[in-house]
Amino acid sequence: EAGVTQFPSHSVIEKGQTVTLRCDPISGHDNLYWYRRVMGKEIKFLLHFVKESKQDESGMPNNRFLAERTGGTYSTLKVQPAELEDSGVYFCASSQDKQGRGNTIYFGEGSWLTVV
Amino acid sequence: AQSVTQLDSQVPVFEEAPVELRCNYSSSVSVYLFWYVQYPNQGLQLLLKYLSGSTLVKGINGFEAEFNKSQTSFHLRKPSVHISDTAEYFCAVSENPSGTYKYIFGTGTRLKVLA
Repeated sequence: EAGVTQFPSHSVIEKGQTVTLRCDPISGHDNLYWYRRVMGKEIKFLLHFVKESKQDESGMPNNRFLAERTGGTYSTLKVQPAELEDSGVYFCASSQDKQGRGNTIYFGEGSWLTVV
Repeated sequence: AQSVTQLDSQVPVFEEAPVELRCNYSSSVSVYLFWYVQYPNQGLQLLLKYLSGSTLVKGINGFEAEFNKSQTSFHLRKPSVHISDTAEYFCAVSENPSGTYKYIFGTGTRLKVLA
């Protein structure tokens, strides 16, 4: 079974440009999450989708960040325009919405974003 | 509000020595607790989790952790480490039941196993 896949794995862009990160969750997982780790700090929750609906977007830093999950399958996270402080690793994760799974979330390898 | 504290940012240890990585949390409700590991150039992998029941939890690769409610701790231990255990380890908490599955992570502990 394929895990959570993210693209691109690394991206270097200039301040003011736009970047779109993509996440393909594990097949059949209704729950999809985005997390971010800024250099040396903790991994922070950004938002949570249940199918195509945003369940919780309390962690989104500002309106330069836009997450979508059209059709309830893959998700994109767009940063526009990018700022220097947006540099970090963006993790996507997914989980099944079933009792007994104990809230285990499966993470992807992350998309490393560097804004210069 | 929930928070997770990993006091040790880096832990060097010699191969075959025991190791303990500390994690303390704060929460006003009962929680689920997790340890994740990130090997170099890889994603986050679940090591173990505490949901309920026995406070001693065994995970993969010989790791175990003990939930101590009175101390609000969930320290990770391994009796004998290998070079391959060199990685960054993250403690995380999720409130039970919140329904959003949102995790609060600590800042991570880099374990460096020395030959």
